Amino acid sequence: DTGVSQDPRHKITKRGQNVTFRCDPISEHNRLYWYRQTLGQGPEFLTYFQNEAQLEKSRLLSDRFSAERPKGSFSTLEIQRTEQGDSAMYLCASSLKRDTYEQYFGPGTRLTVT
Amino acid sequence: GQQLNQSPQSMFIQEGEDVSMNCTSSSIFNTWLWYKQDPGEGPVLLIALYKAGELTSNGRLTAQFGITRKDSFLNISASIPSDVGIYFCAGHISYTGANSKLTFGKGITLSVRP
Repeated sequence: DTGVSQDPRHKITKRGQNVTFRCDPISEHNRLYWYRQTLGQGPEFLTYFQNEAQLEKSRLLSDRFSAERPKGSFSTLEIQRTEQGDSAMYLCASSLKRDTYEQYFGPGTRLTVT
Repeated sequence: GQQLNQSPQSMFIQEGEDVSMNCTSSSIFNTWLWYKQDPGEGPVLLIALYKAGELTSNGRLTAQFGITRKDSFLNISASIPSDVGIYFCAGHISYTGANSKLTFGKGITLSVRP
């Protein structure tokens, strides 16, 4: 299967802990996106990369959140000092630059902060 | 910010029936997409629309990009049990300093009675 993969699929953590999620995009896709989805809502944009450059960050991405894509392939999203409000599904998507709106999503990482 | 409106929140149909759902916005969108999401999974891209008035099919699914560019419609014909899920519309607006983020509606949960 050559789709977008995310790891872990589920993460339970205590408030105040740091967590890191990984996303592996479709191999030939040079754009990678992070979205957050809460219950009953559609995905909300957090940030995106073109190759290794982070080109845009949403105001939703507080300073406790950081994302990297060091070699233009996989990406990590880290949340420091987690809060209960961070509980959500974190989705990664990828696309080709030329078809940037056709974004293909991974299965997501479900984060629960207790 | 831009918002996409999907209603009703839930739809219940009988297997074999056709169903239509729409998505509206107060803003003009340049691209419309429809996604389907199963519980615990990421959204799956169904159809992408790029031109006002465009009508595109994907199997039993047909979607249209509204002439005003402020709405889009998805029709599912001859529904089957595996059509159950949450259907999201998503859109993109291009402007100077364009970004690549998608704006999503809240989704419509479709239930199919056998």
